[in-house]
Amino acid sequence: NAGVTQTPKFRVLKTGQSMTLLCAQDMNHEYMYWYRQDPGMGLRLIHYSVGEGTTAKGEVPDGYNVSRLKKQNFLLGLESAAPSQTSVYFCASNSRDRGNQPQHFGDGTRLSIL
Amino acid sequence: SQQGEEDPQALSIQEGENATMNCSYKTSINNLQWYRQNSGRGLVHLILIRSNEREKHSGRLRVTLDTSKKSSSLLITASRAADTASYFCATDATGGGNKLTFGTGTQLKVEL
Repeated sequence: NAGVTQTPKFRVLKTGQSMTLLCAQDMNHEYMYWYRQDPGMGLRLIHYSVGEGTTAKGEVPDGYNVSRLKKQNFLLGLESAAPSQTSVYFCASNSRDRGNQPQHFGDGTRLSIL
Repeated sequence: SQQGEEDPQALSIQEGENATMNCSYKTSINNLQWYRQNSGRGLVHLILIRSNEREKHSGRLRVTLDTSKKSSSLLITASRAADTASYFCATDATGGGNKLTFGTGTQLKVEL
């Protein structure tokens, strides 16, 4: 059982380049989330999805877009990467039982923007 | 903004000692969760305590919740070197739509 899988694990981009981070979960979870983690800070929510075809903004959505075309996949896009987006990105998922289910996390994508 | 603030930011203890971490938060909550993060890995869920609970145990972990003070504590008893990690509290705020807000974390180092 793979749980939550993120690809790629590492990436270096130049300012202005675009890329897509992939997240896949095999637990049939309805909810999926994208976070970023910066030194000395906890995780901050970028975007999230409560089901296939739906997305919503989190705490720090600017500069990012997301799509949830399939229930098991949640994609995070950077259209024009900026150095401020250098971070570690985590995807997570959990089930529909509101407020009572823990989130399952991937191992992160380490992204550097030069 | 961060909902939870953790104290201390860093903690170093000897193997076999107990480790206590504290979390304070700002709004009313449905539940509070604790996660562990080993270096270079994702977060792993440890324990969830609901707003109507005051204490919960899981193995060597003991969590308390005081909603009147908006605070929680995580106690790890008889610590081991393998407990070395960062620990985060996360709150599921009332009306927050099943989203979690994470604290800034406590870095625990357990030395042999």
